[in-house]
Amino acid sequence: AQSVTQLDSQVPVFEEAPVELRCNYSSSVSVYLFWYVQYPNQGLQLLLKYLSGSTLVKGINGFEAEFNKSQTSFHLRKPSVHISDTAEYFCAVSDYGGSQGNLIFGKGTKLSVKP
Amino acid sequence: ETGVTQSPTHLIKTRGQQVTLRCSSQSGHNTVSWYQQALGQGPQFIFQYYREEENGRGNFPPRFSGLQFPNYSSELNVNALELDDSALYLCASSLPGTGLTDTQYFGPGTRLTVL
Repeated sequence: AQSVTQLDSQVPVFEEAPVELRCNYSSSVSVYLFWYVQYPNQGLQLLLKYLSGSTLVKGINGFEAEFNKSQTSFHLRKPSVHISDTAEYFCAVSDYGGSQGNLIFGKGTKLSVKP
Repeated sequence: ETGVTQSPTHLIKTRGQQVTLRCSSQSGHNTVSWYQQALGQGPQFIFQYYREEENGRGNFPPRFSGLQFPNYSSELNVNALELDDSALYLCASSLPGTGLTDTQYFGPGTRLTVL
């Protein structure tokens, strides 16, 4: 069975500082990996996804993530955060042979950007 | 192009009652997935509908059921409500295409409270 572990439940950071949100997954098969963002009182918005190819994936709002198969990780990074990045971030996995649309989510990381 | 919409925004029910939540998919999307997001947790996959047929189901009991209509709107029905059903219910629609790689577009959710 697949699972996703987001190693930090909360990450406080100052504006313009770099940030890394950590995600590890467990799966016995090849996977697709995703990062979603959820702003207060809103649904989820896709930031980026890894399907195949280059292990460095660039997404919206200046975020990027690196797929590391040997470490089963997919950490999200941004070199300089803004106040508007304050939100909850979810890592998710979907396997090649699983039910279509069956995303397995982590418990989320709350990013709090302080001025 | 309109986004994914859900109704109602909030709902309060009592134990044992039945509830119907509605989702209007993004134009042209023939696949809809439903997720339950309990407080402090990541979303959990309930089921997916593709062209009006159930196309995969998570670990939820049969009292969770759904419908998808020819206009691609959909419903989530929950019978015999329990206190643990209190959660944010999210629907997500996806573009027709290659299934697992389709981007899911999420609605803002319906907050269900069971008293």
